[in-house]
Amino acid sequence: SQQGEEDPQALSIQEGENATMNCSYKTSINNLQWYRQNSGRGLVHLILIRSNEREKHSGRLRVTLDTSKKSSSLLITASRAADTASYFCATDGGADGLTFGKGTHLIIQP
Amino acid sequence: DSGVTQTPKHLITATGQRVTLRCSPRSGDLSVYWYQQSLDQGLQFLIQYYNGEERAKGNILERFSAQQFPDLHSELNLSSLELGDSALYFCASSTRTGPQYFGAGTRLSVL
Repeated sequence: SQQGEEDPQALSIQEGENATMNCSYKTSINNLQWYRQNSGRGLVHLILIRSNEREKHSGRLRVTLDTSKKSSSLLITASRAADTASYFCATDGGADGLTFGKGTHLIIQP
Repeated sequence: DSGVTQTPKHLITATGQRVTLRCSPRSGDLSVYWYQQSLDQGLQFLIQYYNGEERAKGNILERFSAQQFPDLHSELNLSSLELGDSALYFCASSTRTGPQYFGAGTRLSVL
């Protein structure tokens, strides 16, 4: 069953704007990971945030984690056409591999 | 390049057949995971191996089996294939506590 649920399901913005995607989950976690997938291709690991961390940055990416609300957000700043992809959050509860949400499909308009 | 290698990239086979998917993890990673991605089910965890031992099982059908060999590569065996088994199959590897890095996947088409 899906634990992480991304919101929105689809997002279309202009190049240069910021994109924010949200993820909610149900049970306690060890960490939460964000991945990018270009159409039909492999998953690219973007960032891992542990349950005792609140915010993490990597280049143009900023991830927050609120364990009290069981939610996370991924912010992509100054978006580019190459950021067009599906973005997934995945929770690691420590026992059964990663549990993925259905993903947010991000389209960057030139 | 994630460092995880999956072969073959594509497989086309018929219902009732058996196939083997192969995965070589990143150098130094002892954990190997298998996932299935389909349009209706999304990304689903199938099974995990750690240093040759089965560590966790997810939504893996009884017709499917896997193993991890002493050199740490892993194979996923799918038998008595059905149309509904058509999907992308991913392998991922990690250290004990690090992120999972995914291979490019094997696209299986069952006709």
